[in-house]
Amino acid sequence: AQRVTQPEKLLSVFKGAPVELKCNYSYSGSPELFWYVQYSRQRLQLLLRHISRESIKGFTADLNKGETSFHLKKPFAQEEDSAMYYCALRGANNAGNMLTFGGGTRLMVKP
Amino acid sequence: DVKVTQSSRYLVKRTGEKVFLECVQDMDHENMFWYRQDPGLGLRLIYFSYDVKMKEKGDIPEGYSVSREKKERFSLILESASTNQTSMYLCASSFVYTEAFFGQGTRLTVV
Repeated sequence: AQRVTQPEKLLSVFKGAPVELKCNYSYSGSPELFWYVQYSRQRLQLLLRHISRESIKGFTADLNKGETSFHLKKPFAQEEDSAMYYCALRGANNAGNMLTFGGGTRLMVKP
Repeated sequence: DVKVTQSSRYLVKRTGEKVFLECVQDMDHENMFWYRQDPGLGLRLIYFSYDVKMKEKGDIPEGYSVSREKKERFSLILESASTNQTSMYLCASSFVYTEAFFGQGTRLTVV
């Protein structure tokens, strides 16, 4: 079974402060990890995926297989980063391409 | 531009009614998904389909069924709606092992 855990439901920081949204996963094979974001009144959209190893809107995430984690980081938070963030895992086995999400973390960036 | 369209933004149904939620995508994606989104619980997978007429249960399939007769259309059926099925329902689609694109969501209220 595959499982994604986001331990924080809410993270509140001041503008300019560093941000780290935690994500831990459980999966026996080789997973593909994603971060999705949902801004107010918008549909859920991809923020980044681990295989592309790129920085989007200043966010980065590194897959740590030893700790089974995929934490999302940004050195200096902006007010426009306030949104709901979801970590997701796609398994690469016979279970198909099931995409499993965590419980989400609401990020609030205060001025 | 990828389009995933859900037939209704808001629905109000009575307990015991049979409810159909429709989703259409225009990118020839193999995979289609139905999730429900609840505060604090994140996105939970109800069903997904990896091909026409093919489906797999997700984490919370009880009380739901699905239909995929054509590649572009994936329907979620609530056989006998109950109040605990009041939720936001999200449809998504993707190619194999690529990012998922989401619809705008259907907020279903069962009274």
